[in-house]
Amino acid sequence: GQQVMQIPQYQHVQEGEDFTTYCNSSTTLSNIQWYKQRPGGHPVFLIQLVKSGEVKKQKRLTFQFGEAKKNSSLHITATQTTDVGTYFCAGPGQAGTALIFGKGTTLSVSS
Amino acid sequence: DTEVTQTPKHLVMGMTNKKSLKCEQHMGHRAMYWYKQKAKKPPELMFVYSYEKLSINESVPSRFSPECPNSSLLNLHLHALQPEDSALYLCASSQGPWRGGQPQHFGDGTRLSIL
Repeated sequence: GQQVMQIPQYQHVQEGEDFTTYCNSSTTLSNIQWYKQRPGGHPVFLIQLVKSGEVKKQKRLTFQFGEAKKNSSLHITATQTTDVGTYFCAGPGQAGTALIFGKGTTLSVSS
Repeated sequence: DTEVTQTPKHLVMGMTNKKSLKCEQHMGHRAMYWYKQKAKKPPELMFVYSYEKLSINESVPSRFSPECPNSSLLNLHLHALQPEDSALYLCASSQGPWRGGQPQHFGDGTRLSIL
């Protein structure tokens, strides 16, 4: 069945270091979305990428969608303690389902 | 502040109880979703309503019964739950149809504990 895989599962960084999480789909996606869930919170939509090779930036966050539309990445420059949480990628499901979520990457930051 | 409101925020119930979770959105979104989320796991889709009609039931046990009284409200009726049903239950909505994977706005969730 369709799968969306994310690596790494966990990442610990020192404040100020960069962080990247990678997302790979077993199928071509029409779009990919990224969500952030703070500890004890709910998923919050960050961004949607639609075009092949698309790159979008939100302050220190850079999102990329691969040329083949099967992979994506989220890069955070100079992490801060406010970046702590779990980052999920998600893509449209095939065969009549909605979004397929990756397992998430949990980021911890020490100051 | 979240634009999808869920009540209650916490719920503890016995296995023989009947309770309901409620979700409300006033963004004019036409698709609404129920998810179950276990600790350290991604949200797991349960149900999708589109234009107040049930579009997806991900083979959820009948002890969970969804209801969409109108375009702004979504309920999840619970009956005879099992301890393994303890989880965070998230409601979400999207502006467009669920097909094609529309960006979703999540509520704060209800933390459910089954005794």
